Amino acid sequence: AQSVTQPDIHITVSEGASLELRCNYSYGATPYLFWYVQSPGQGLQLLLKYFSGDTLVQGIKGFEAEFKRSQSSFNLRKPSVHWSDAAEYFCAQRSSGGSNYKLTFGKGTLLTVNP
Amino acid sequence: EAEVAQSPRYKITEKSQAVAFWCDPISGHATLYWYRQILGQGPELLVQFQDESVVDDSQLPKDRFSAERLKGVDSTLKIQPAELGDSAMYLCASSSQGLTETQYFGPGTRLLVL
Repeated sequence: AQSVTQPDIHITVSEGASLELRCNYSYGATPYLFWYVQSPGQGLQLLLKYFSGDTLVQGIKGFEAEFKRSQSSFNLRKPSVHWSDAAEYFCAQRSSGGSNYKLTFGKGTLLTVNP
Repeated sequence: EAEVAQSPRYKITEKSQAVAFWCDPISGHATLYWYRQILGQGPELLVQFQDESVVDDSQLPKDRFSAERLKGVDSTLKIQPAELGDSAMYLCASSSQGLTETQYFGPGTRLLVL
């Protein structure tokens, strides 16, 4: 079964500092990978996705992620964090076969931004 | 921008009662999903519809949960009877058909079972 691991439950950074959130996915020949963000009490918003091609993916709100097959990783980065980035971040992997498009999510990383 | 609509946003009920949640996907989206998110966890798929047909309901507790999408548009998720452990956020998402299509999520229904 697919699994997604987000090793960091909670990260605190200062506003203006750089950010990296880690994500490891289970082995798959063609991983379809996503990062979503969730503000308190809200649904999930897609930040970026990777299907194939360039391993550095640009997303919304200044986020980017790099796919590294050798490390089974898809880490999310932002060069300078804003206070409004405080939220919970979820990495997800999609099934790659048939008509089942289920997303398997990690447990999330809660980001706190200090002024 | 089109959005996935869900109602109610919040629901408090007592155990053994019946509850129902409604979802209206983005217009034209053939695929609809119901996810359950327990506090502190990532969402987990309960059921996936392709038009009005169920594609995957392997994680749906069928003794108490049911889901339907009769006309292939909006959908209802029902729990009867509700149990304390059902307290969670219930998220609906929709996408166009295809493996590379993005799933767009609604705001969710927060359920509290007392």
